[in-house]
Amino acid sequence: QSVLTQPPSVSASPGQKVTISCSGSSSNIGRNYVSWYQQVPGTAPKLLIYNNDKRPLGIPDRFSGSKSGTSATLGITGLQTGDEADYYCGTWDTNLSVVLFGGGTKLTVL
Amino acid sequence: EVHLVESGGVVVQPGGSLRLSCAASGFAFGDYAMHWVRRAPGKGLEWVSLISWFGDATYYADSVKGRFTVSRDNSKNSLFLQMNSLTTDDSAFYYCARDVFYRGFIGQIDYWGQGTLVTVSS
Repeated sequence: QSVLTQPPSVSASPGQKVTISCSGSSSNIGRNYVSWYQQVPGTAPKLLIYNNDKRPLGIPDRFSGSKSGTSATLGITGLQTGDEADYYCGTWDTNLSVVLFGGGTKLTVL
Repeated sequence: EVHLVESGGVVVQPGGSLRLSCAASGFAFGDYAMHWVRRAPGKGLEWVSLISWFGDATYYADSVKGRFTVSRDNSKNSLFLQMNSLTTDDSAFYYCARDVFYRGFIGQIDYWGQGTLVTVSS
């Protein structure tokens, strides 16, 4: 069981919007930046969001991130079939001195 | 362009040892902290270890502490993971990855290698 809690799965239709939540605590999300990663099966993970809400170059603005207190959210608009993947939140835990990942959320675009 | 290429993944027996390597190129390797992250079949991402840009600080997940050792050779743009006392739970793809923070670390990863597969089986 992960210290960062994500829903195991979400689904939506092409063109719609979906949000994925990530819940932590005061020692991790509450105190540090959150990042989000996408992993398509058979490929390496890819950074989607860093510093809570910043997108790296090349990541479309359909992807957005936010943080409030000890929770963070990834939003994806204009869903495409190519967005089907596993999504993970991540952050540093100040008390444990470790990087934490959420358990992952499988996105299905119906 | 940043490139991270892992090597060393093989089939090893329980209790055995293995050393993974990661060759970095396309950036000033010695200026960035580096991570090892793994993903076991059917499971999610699990952070394994972090080494500071200078190599003077290391951090480990509880699941590998005391068994795994991370090191780096900045003169050769290389990252290593020495894995001892391996168990079947260590079977996974192992990814070499770069921290986003220049000359520090923040626990966020911007570049990942393609991974190397470690299988622990008798």
